[in-house]
Amino acid sequence: AQSVTQLDSQVPVFEEAPVELRCNYSSSVSVYLFWYVQYPNQGLQLLLKYLSGSTLVKGINGFEAEFNKSQTSFHLRKPSVHISDTAEYFCAVSDFAGTYKYIFGTGTRLKVLA
Amino acid sequence: SAVISQKPSRDICQRGTSLTIQCQVDSQVTMMFWYRQQPGQSLTLIATANQGSEATYESGFVIDKFPISRPNLTFSTLTVSNMSPEDSSIYLCSVGDGANTGELFFGEGSRLTVL
Repeated sequence: AQSVTQLDSQVPVFEEAPVELRCNYSSSVSVYLFWYVQYPNQGLQLLLKYLSGSTLVKGINGFEAEFNKSQTSFHLRKPSVHISDTAEYFCAVSDFAGTYKYIFGTGTRLKVLA
Repeated sequence: SAVISQKPSRDICQRGTSLTIQCQVDSQVTMMFWYRQQPGQSLTLIATANQGSEATYESGFVIDKFPISRPNLTFSTLTVSNMSPEDSSIYLCSVGDGANTGELFFGEGSRLTVL
């Protein structure tokens, strides 16, 4: 069975500071990894995804994530955050992209402070 | 990409009643998915809705409680039946990208509060 762990439920950070949101997963098969963002009162929007190839994945809004198979991690990073990045971030894993069967983490609430 | 509209966006319901949530997509899609996001928790897949066949429910979810319709390739409904306060959640409709790259598109959700 697959699982996703987001250890940090909330991460406060000052504007223009770097941030890392942690995600660890467990799976007995090859996985596809995703980060989604949910702004207040909105649905989820894809930030980035790892399907294969380069382990460093770049997404929208200046975010990037690195797939580390040995550490079963897929941490999300941004070198300089903005107030507008305040949102809930969800890490998700799927064992095959075509099925769209996702397991979501519990989410990390990023709060950017002025 | 796909644009997904959900109705209602929010509602307050009485215990024991039922509510139907509508999901409209701006393009034809094969698979539609219904998720539940309970307060402070992650998303849990309720069921997969394919046009022309019965929905496939995940463990812990049953058709009597969450009946789903999928009359065509752009529309689906989810009914939450005989509601209790534990059903207070955000219900999200989503669709795949159709290109098998794994991306899901989500509606803005329907926030239900059961008193």
